[in-house]
This record gives sequence, C-alpha cells and structure tokens, in this order.
Amino acid sequence: ETGVTQTPRHLVMGMTNKKSLKCEQHLGHNAMYWYKQSAKKPLELMFVYSLEERVENNSVPSRFSPECPNSSHLFLHLHTLQPEDSALYLCASSQEAISGANVLTFGAGSRLTVL
Amino acid sequence: GENVKQHPSTLSVQEGDSAVIKCTYSDSASNYFPWYKQELGKRPQLIIDIRSNVGEKKDQRIAVTLNKTAKHFSLHITETQPEDSAVYFCAASGSNYQLIWGAGTKLIIKP
Repeated sequence: ETGVTQTPRHLVMGMTNKKSLKCEQHLGHNAMYWYKQSAKKPLELMFVYSLEERVENNSVPSRFSPECPNSSHLFLHLHTLQPEDSALYLCASSQEAISGANVLTFGAGSRLTVL
Repeated sequence: GENVKQHPSTLSVQEGDSAVIKCTYSDSASNYFPWYKQELGKRPQLIIDIRSNVGEKKDQRIAVTLNKTAKHFSLHITETQPEDSAVYFCAASGSNYQLIWGAGTKLIIKP
C-alpha cells in the first residue's frame, strides 16, 4: 500500500455516537494534517502534526479530538457531533511542516454524515 | 484575516479551447502558490505550483502566472480535454504552516 490511506471511506453516525477516522501514510513524511471539505467552500485546516507533535489547532471544537501516535498514523476521534459537521474529512501528509510551502499528498477522504 | 478569492466558481469551455482560472490573495508575505485538481469522488492532487521568485511556470498544457504587485495568480489550461473536467483549487502560503485555499472552480469541458 502506498500513498495516504483513509478509513472508513463512509461513515454515518448519530449525534451521541463516538467514532474515529483513521489515516495512514506510507511516504516517510514527517507532517500530517486533517482538513474539512464542505461543498463550494475552501478547504478548512483543522490540525497539523509535525513529528507527532501538534503544531496547529485551528480553533476546532473539542468534539473533534486528534491523535498522532507516530509519524505514519493519524486519527480523528469524533464525539457528540452536530449535523453541520457532515462533510468530507481529508487527511494529508507532507515531507515537512516548516511553513505553508509544503506539497500535500491527500488521502481519498472519509465522507461523514451526522444524523 | 488572510484570504484567497477564486473565480469563476464554474467555468464551461469547449473541448480544445483554453481555460483560465484566477485567484487573488491578501497576504503580501505569501510566497508559494500551488494549484490542486480534484476529480469527482477523488482526492485533490497537486498539478503545478509556483514560488514568488518566478513570474511564470509551464508544464505541458498547463501554466501558472504570478503578479506579486497585484497579488494575483492564474492557471491556464490550453487545448482542453475531457479529462481536464474537475474542480481546481488555488492556494497561497500563509502563516503558521497554513495554506490559504480558494473555494474552487468547477471546470466543465463540453464535447
């Protein structure tokens, strides 16, 4: 398996459920990202990890909780979400996260629907 | 705050014609400008990027131009083909590890 892999590809959950999204990269990159993609809106950066350390948290509600156990794996734990959180969640990685000038490799995304 | 405006939101061109997508940015410190292509149901992928020390970059049928004074940059696709149909996103480097993204342009290639 190469590139950036995300699971599950589709997830439907109720507002009281707890679920997790998983991302794995096989590129030897040192930085990983979570983005939220909603229709006709710019990509929203949620979290950035560099060498397993969180370096950016873009005022994301606490119902989203990231976890980066090592430089190859990234999780997004979901708890008591709202219907407006329904979106495509994209994971990405880059060689470094020194600045914004990084080439991103994206995963295929996890389509989340909150009922 | 930092922002990137992209237009048009939808662009329909005849196969074989050229397509131009434009973006403007607000942060004069931005020095890196990538373009990503996202086909329907697929992941965004980098197609071309440019840094602020260069005014133009070309890769086969695609080119990007940058005007730092006016703070705008454009994507040019020549001899469009059906496989060019996708949503294209521009971005500009911002502060703190961020890329500031445009809202996307849906490019439709008419046969």
